[in-house]
Amino acid sequence: SYELTQPLSVSVDLGQTARITCGGNNLGNKVVHWYQQKPGQAPVVVIYRDSNRPSGIPERFSGSNSGNTATLTISRAQAGDEADYYCQVWDSSTVVFGGGTKLTVL
Amino acid sequence: QITLKESGPTLVKPTQTLTLTCTFSGFSLTTTGVGVAWIRQPPAKALEWLALIYWDDDKRYSPSLRSRLTVTKDTSENQVVLTVTNMDPVDTATYYCAYCASNSQFDYWGQGTLVTVSS
Repeated sequence: SYELTQPLSVSVDLGQTARITCGGNNLGNKVVHWYQQKPGQAPVVVIYRDSNRPSGIPERFSGSNSGNTATLTISRAQAGDEADYYCQVWDSSTVVFGGGTKLTVL
Repeated sequence: QITLKESGPTLVKPTQTLTLTCTFSGFSLTTTGVGVAWIRQPPAKALEWLALIYWDDDKRYSPSLRSRLTVTKDTSENQVVLTVTNMDPVDTATYYCAYCASNSQFDYWGQGTLVTVSS
């Protein structure tokens, strides 16, 4: 079965840029979605179809996908961006989530 | 406005069958391309997709849990039901239902319901 690999944790200084990666075999040939989950809350889509932002998501959030790696980039990181982030793809009509990355804003 | 809400028991015993209901509004599960998924999350662990049912009654299951899962829909009641057989303490998790369209992202999620498996 298809697997997505994320770093367990990423730290970023307040106001700097955070990059969270999601790795998978030929991931660039798939469509990647990203979710943000804060404690006690359901996940929320922050990037869909590799690089699209839903309405209400700040422009500071962006995404890319190429080769074997998709990247969620958070510019000018804020304290409110502290959360767990998950990537997700469809593979053979099943859903795969990455293991999640905890973002800490220092 | 699309909303989903999970309901069911908060505590089940090992070997029992869990039945969860997702009651939704704001969309119809007869609309082409629409699906409702079940996703769970053990405490302090990652999201795990379980199952999905489509508008045309096509069903997809996690390969690792397929033998224990059944998903059905009642379009007249706007509900999707998930059953999980032979529950074990490792199945303790928050169970979410979520909406998707055209095999894309999960745009809307329920609040989740915590199910604990313990004797």
